[in-house]
Amino acid sequence: ELKVEQNPLFLSMQEGKNYTIYCNYSTTSDRLYWYRQDPGKSLESLFVLLSNGAVKQEGRLMASLDTKARLSTLHITAAVHDLSATYFCAVTIQGAQKLVFGQGTRLTINP
Amino acid sequence: KAGVTQTPRYLIKTRGQQVTLSCSPISGHRSVSWYQQTPGQGLQFLFEYFSETQRNKGNFPGRFSGRQFSNSRSEMNVSTLELGDSALYLCASSLGTSFYEQYFGPGTRLTVT
Repeated sequence: ELKVEQNPLFLSMQEGKNYTIYCNYSTTSDRLYWYRQDPGKSLESLFVLLSNGAVKQEGRLMASLDTKARLSTLHITAAVHDLSATYFCAVTIQGAQKLVFGQGTRLTINP
Repeated sequence: KAGVTQTPRYLIKTRGQQVTLSCSPISGHRSVSWYQQTPGQGLQFLFEYFSETQRNKGNFPGRFSGRQFSNSRSEMNVSTLELGDSALYLCASSLGTSFYEQYFGPGTRLTVT
């Protein structure tokens, strides 16, 4: 059974600092996704990572994928308050149209 | 291009009742997936429909069912509601021909009392 684990689950940080969220998954998967969720809202797609070594960046967020280690990271650079949200990683089971989600990381950025 | 729409957005039901939720995918998308989100269990996959056929199913009891119509709109039904069914139900649409990205709707917040 495919399991996805994120850490940390809670992260409180100051504006201007850098930090990384980690996402480990247990079996081979072909795609990894990062989503953002604001309180009471739906999921907003941030990144789709398709292959080993893939790196994508959007603003202050950068995601990378190491399929050999079964690890993805979401790096936040010079955090700002607007990035406060819950971040989820998710992977697909090969051959199935199904996302398996991590527990989510609740990120709070303080002024 | 309009996004994924879900109706109703909020719903309050009593234990033992049944409920039907609706999802309209992005135009041209043929796959609709449903997810349940609760504080305790997180985001869990319910089922996926493609061209009116259930193609994948999660580990939920038979009280949870769904269907898809010829226009790709989908409904999910929960019978004999339990308190634990209180959750945010999200549907997501994708092209479905090769799994690339799912676009999520705003969700239906179901409260069972």
